[in-house]
Amino acid sequence: DSGVTQTPKHLITATGQRVTLRCSPRSGDLSVYWYQQSLDQGLQFLIQYYNGEERAKGNILERFSAQQFPDLHSELNLSSLELGDSALYFCASSVGWGDGNTIYFGEGSWLTVV
Amino acid sequence: GENVEQHPSTLSVQEGDSAVIKCTYSDSASNYFPWYKQELGKRPQLIIDIRSNVGEKKDQRIAVTLNKTAKHFSLHITETQPEDSAVYFCAASGGSSNTGKLIFGQGTTLQVKP
Repeated sequence: DSGVTQTPKHLITATGQRVTLRCSPRSGDLSVYWYQQSLDQGLQFLIQYYNGEERAKGNILERFSAQQFPDLHSELNLSSLELGDSALYFCASSVGWGDGNTIYFGEGSWLTVV
Repeated sequence: GENVEQHPSTLSVQEGDSAVIKCTYSDSASNYFPWYKQELGKRPQLIIDIRSNVGEKKDQRIAVTLNKTAKHFSLHITETQPEDSAVYFCAASGGSSNTGKLIFGQGTTLQVKP
């Protein structure tokens, strides 16, 4: 158990809908990262927050948004869902920001868009 | 932009043989290089990492080497066992941006045949 908690574990929804994925980082970690892993694909970096502020942005679609709350949990909002958004979404956390911080992954949220 | 290339995409070895996975990165400012192991449907788990001030690091049957001049690093697994079968991802820290985010390679599916 990495200490990073993600909910829900599985989610099935229809095209055009909106979903919210939730992440609680490890105790004491201030940085949260979101990654997308599609079938047979690698880990694509979406976005990073540190202590409530956005730190880095990757290939995140405009239909997707995220935030980190004062209690440090984070939510990834996916809207106007398309079939291609079906993927495993990972949240990860680290103590600080900056290169060299060990990053721990949660178990992921499986999203299926039908 | 930041990019990490990983080879081979698949690797099949006999139990007891060695396995080598190679990665190259584009951002010369990158200074942290972790390796993650991901079993089917599970979260990526850190197995070893190396920082730019070190050329080689070893942990039991696993070793990583880094050549900063050539911008490549490799994972070496000796005396492979069936439980080593998984997908392995290399990663490089964000480099110039120094946010701590990781850019991942495409992954290598390692199969160890008994």
